[in-house]
Amino acid sequence: AQKVTQAQTEISVVEKEDVTLDCVYETRDTTYYLFWYKQPPSGELVFLIRRNSFDEQNEISGRYSWNFQKSTSSFNFTITASQVVDSAVYFCALSAGGTSYGKLTFGQGTILTVHP
Amino acid sequence: DAGVIQSPRHEVTEMGQEVTLRCKPISGHDYLFWYRQTMMRGLELLIYFNNNVPIDDSGMPEDRFSAKMPNASFSTLKIQPSEPRDSAVYFCASSLKNGDTQYFGPGTRLTVL
Repeated sequence: AQKVTQAQTEISVVEKEDVTLDCVYETRDTTYYLFWYKQPPSGELVFLIRRNSFDEQNEISGRYSWNFQKSTSSFNFTITASQVVDSAVYFCALSAGGTSYGKLTFGQGTILTVHP
Repeated sequence: DAGVIQSPRHEVTEMGQEVTLRCKPISGHDYLFWYRQTMMRGLELLIYFNNNVPIDDSGMPEDRFSAKMPNASFSTLKIQPSEPRDSAVYFCASSLKNGDTQYFGPGTRLTVL
């Protein structure tokens, strides 16, 4: 079975602070995909990144960066110099299981509030 | 290209009524997914289709829920009869291939009184 744990339920920071959102996953499959989605107050789910299990390279996109470590089964997300517009719920998700790759298992989400 | 389209955006109905949610996936995407989001259970997959064929409906809560995909550009999720505990946001998503990124629609907020 697949499982995603986002231990931080809520994080509150002041603008311009750096913040890291943790994600730990469980799967017995050797091939899998990891995702991060953002859900702003308006409610839609916005795709941020997809990473496959064979690519452990860290990725940076503007103020966003992701640290994938298979040894600790973690896929953490860092926002540098946070802004008020970053306030949202962030979900980590896992897709694994051969023909069941279509099934996304989501973590419970981390509510990020960035104060001005 | 237009994203995933869902209708209605909001639905308020009374217990016992039939509810139909609609979804149009991104053109060319072979996979379509229905998710439900609640405070208690978070985001959970209900059912997904590949080339209009249901592949896994193990997440469908009970027989009151049914989903169809009559063609590549349209899917429905029906609840009959609806109950207050069905109140949630229902998302539709689509992806090009198995394991690819799933792109989500804006969701339908369902309230059953």
